[in-house]
Amino acid sequence: EPEVTQTPSHQVTQMGQEVILRCVPISNHLYFYWYRQILGQKVEFLVSFYNNEISEKSEIFDDQFSVERPDGSNFTLKIRSTKLEDSAMYFCASSAGTEETQYFGPGTRLLVL
Amino acid sequence: SQQGEEDPQALSIQEGENATMNCSYKTSINNLQWYRQNSGRGLVHLILIRSNEREKHSGRLRVTLDTSKKSSSLLITASRAADTASYFCATDGRGSTLGRLYFGRGTQLTVWP
Repeated sequence: EPEVTQTPSHQVTQMGQEVILRCVPISNHLYFYWYRQILGQKVEFLVSFYNNEISEKSEIFDDQFSVERPDGSNFTLKIRSTKLEDSAMYFCASSAGTEETQYFGPGTRLLVL
Repeated sequence: SQQGEEDPQALSIQEGENATMNCSYKTSINNLQWYRQNSGRGLVHLILIRSNEREKHSGRLRVTLDTSKKSSSLLITASRAADTASYFCATDGRGSTLGRLYFGRGTQLTVWP
């Protein structure tokens, strides 16, 4: 069964450093998403992406964040200058349509020191 | 806000018993999805139920949706220790968002052998 994959599974970085989180969505999906989950809190929407542009972003997704689909398979989330409060599990998801099932990857656990 | 909220926050049962978790939300939806998350792991999709559906089954899972009460329930029958996890409902927003999901805080289910 097709699945969303994410790399790395864990990332530790120093405050102020840039990180890039990578995702490979399910191959025939057209809609891509990033969510995050701070430890013990709700899963929160960051951004949705369709047709090579951002469809919607939340208030969390400020200028420090960017997304890109650099080729036909990868979908990346970049945090330009990490803060302590960016420590969280970051999930990538993809779907065939906006009203279809969103399939989530296993997540990248980011720790900012 | 749009978020689904699960009830109860925690549920502890014996193997073989049924587990019922509820979700309430605030605005109209296109669909509602239930996910499962083992501790510190990714989100596994369980069931998607659309706003024009009232009940859906998948194996030992039964989901109901009452749009007039803006509520849904997830029933796991004949529970097993392996069902121990957090269960989340996630709603979208009818006509207003492009696939963004709003998650509740989840129900932590513990099934004792």
